[in-house]
Amino acid sequence: DSGVTQTPKHLITATGQRVTLRCSPRSGDLSVYWYQQSLDQGLQFLIQYYNGEERAKGNILERFSAQQFPDLHSELNLSSLELGDSALYFCASSTKTQETQYFGPGTRLLVL
Amino acid sequence: QKEVEQDPGPLSVPEGAIVSLNCTYSNSAFQYFMWYRQYSRKGPELLMYTYSSGNKEDGRFTAQVDKSSKYISLFIRDSQPSDSATYLCAMMGTNAGKSTFGDGTTLTVKP
Repeated sequence: DSGVTQTPKHLITATGQRVTLRCSPRSGDLSVYWYQQSLDQGLQFLIQYYNGEERAKGNILERFSAQQFPDLHSELNLSSLELGDSALYFCASSTKTQETQYFGPGTRLLVL
Repeated sequence: QKEVEQDPGPLSVPEGAIVSLNCTYSNSAFQYFMWYRQYSRKGPELLMYTYSSGNKEDGRFTAQVDKSSKYISLFIRDSQPSDSATYLCAMMGTNAGKSTFGDGTTLTVKP
């Protein structure tokens, strides 16, 4: 158990809908990262927050947004969902940037 | 061309074999090199974390980084069936925490 929690574990929804994925980092970690892992594309970095501020951005679609709250938990919002958004979404946390990242168990999203 | 290329596998070895997993990269700004193990699409688990060039050993695992060749390796000695998993290499520069991952190599260790 890495200490990073993610909810929900599974999510099934329809195209066009909006969902919110939640992540709680390890106690004391200030940095949160979001990744997408689909079957044909490996693990893709989406976005990083550090102590509430956006720090780095990867190939995150405009339909996706994220934020980190004062209590350091983070949410990833996915809107206007498409079939291709079906994937595993992982959150990771670290004490600082450039430190070891610990991954949560992931949220499995299925868009029908 | 991808920034990080990983030997795709899959790789199947008998128990007790030495396993070599490899990645190459093109971005000379990468300074931090990691290896993760992922079981059945669960959360990746960090195995090794190396800064710059050199070797690092942890039990049966040895990570090597050759920055001049832009090549990293993970060696697993005395492989066990419990080592069967997908192994992901990852790399990070110095400006931010963005990690770039390889696509993974699936390893099966047969008893």
